[in-house]
Amino acid sequence: KQEVTQIPAALSVPEGENLVLNCSFTDSAIYNLQWFRQDPGKGLTSLLLIQSSQREQTSGRLNASLDKSSGRSTLYIAASQPGDSATYLCAVGVYGGSQGNLIFGKGTKLSVKP
Amino acid sequence: ETGVTQSPTHLIKTRGQQVTLRCSSQSGHNTVSWYQQALGQGPQFIFQYYREEENGRGNFPPRFSGLQFPNYSSELNVNALELDDSALYLCASTMDSNWGYTFGSGTRLTVV
Repeated sequence: KQEVTQIPAALSVPEGENLVLNCSFTDSAIYNLQWFRQDPGKGLTSLLLIQSSQREQTSGRLNASLDKSSGRSTLYIAASQPGDSATYLCAVGVYGGSQGNLIFGKGTKLSVKP
Repeated sequence: ETGVTQSPTHLIKTRGQQVTLRCSSQSGHNTVSWYQQALGQGPQFIFQYYREEENGRGNFPPRFSGLQFPNYSSELNVNALELDDSALYLCASTMDSNWGYTFGSGTRLTVV
């Protein structure tokens, strides 16, 4: 059974700081990994999608890396802003089963203080 | 039409009642998945539909059922509501799971 773990569960940083969110998964048989942002009580907004054959993806101040063999991904946020405050979820794409095609971690709740 | 739309955004139901949640996916997104997200947890897979047929199911009882329609809309039905069914319900769709999923804004269900 695939398990996805995100560390830390919560993080508070001052504005302007660079930060890294971590995601680990137990089974390397994934076909992609997706990072999402979730504002309180809202749906999920896709940030970055990394295919299993890729090592990283970048979008603006965000950079996500993937090391499939070690079962790890990181989301790097540069020059954090108060508007980045949200919960960040990672999800691994797998082929079917009772867990579905997308298996999530519990998320990291980020607070960026002005 | 772009994006995934869910309705209603919020609703309150009484234990034992039945509820239907709706999702409208992007044109061409023939795969739709439904998730339940409890407070402080990651989304949990309920089931998935591909071209109007259920093709995957998580560890949810049969009182959770669904439908997918030819116009890329879908429904999640929950019978005999229990207090523990209170959660955010998310719909996600894709044309090809290799390209990632697009999520709706969710329906917040409260069972009292």
